[in-house]
Amino acid sequence: ETGVTQTPRHLVMGMTNKKSLKCEQHLGHNAMYWYKQSAKKPLELMFVYNFKEQTENNSVPSRFSPECPNSSHLFLHLHTLQPEDSALYLCASSQDRGTSSYEQFFGPGTRLTVL
Amino acid sequence: GENVEQHPSTLSVQEGDSAVIKCTYSDSASNYFPWYKQELGKGPQLIIDIRSNVGEKKDQRIAVTLNKTAKHFSLHITETQPEDSAVYFCAASVGGSARQLTFGSGTQLTVLP
Repeated sequence: ETGVTQTPRHLVMGMTNKKSLKCEQHLGHNAMYWYKQSAKKPLELMFVYNFKEQTENNSVPSRFSPECPNSSHLFLHLHTLQPEDSALYLCASSQDRGTSSYEQFFGPGTRLTVL
Repeated sequence: GENVEQHPSTLSVQEGDSAVIKCTYSDSASNYFPWYKQELGKGPQLIIDIRSNVGEKKDQRIAVTLNKTAKHFSLHITETQPEDSAVYFCAASVGGSARQLTFGSGTQLTVLP
């Protein structure tokens, strides 16, 4: 185990549903990330939070809404998704020190299917 | 922005043989290059990384080489074992930071017994 947990592991939702993905890290890190992993494509960074503040938003559609209530928890709220949003959503955490950041530890991911 | 290309997309080797995966990057300012291994049903896990002030780094059967002039870096796995079968991702980052990693598209490595 990497110390990063994600729930649920699998999620099937309709395009009109609202659901949330949860990530929790037990490593004492101060930075957390959401990635999208689609088949045959590189991991795409979606959001970065550092000390609970969002520092990166890589042009992600507004139907994805992140929330970071504290440095250990990260949520991704989903609403009115499209079938092309079906993918593995990975959460990661790392310890940032100034301008440097070190190894990212990944959770097992949530396999999302949008019908 | 940074662009990372990874080859091959699939690689099959016999157990005991060596495997080499290559990546090229576009931003000459990149100076941190990690490699991740992703097993089925799991998230990627860091297996080795290299920073631009060194040309080679080795950890048991795994080694990474970096050629900054040519802007490419490679993962070498020697004496492959069935448990090495997984998807391997390279990545690059500017400023020595893992915060903004740009990943390659992955290599599915299969080690045949």
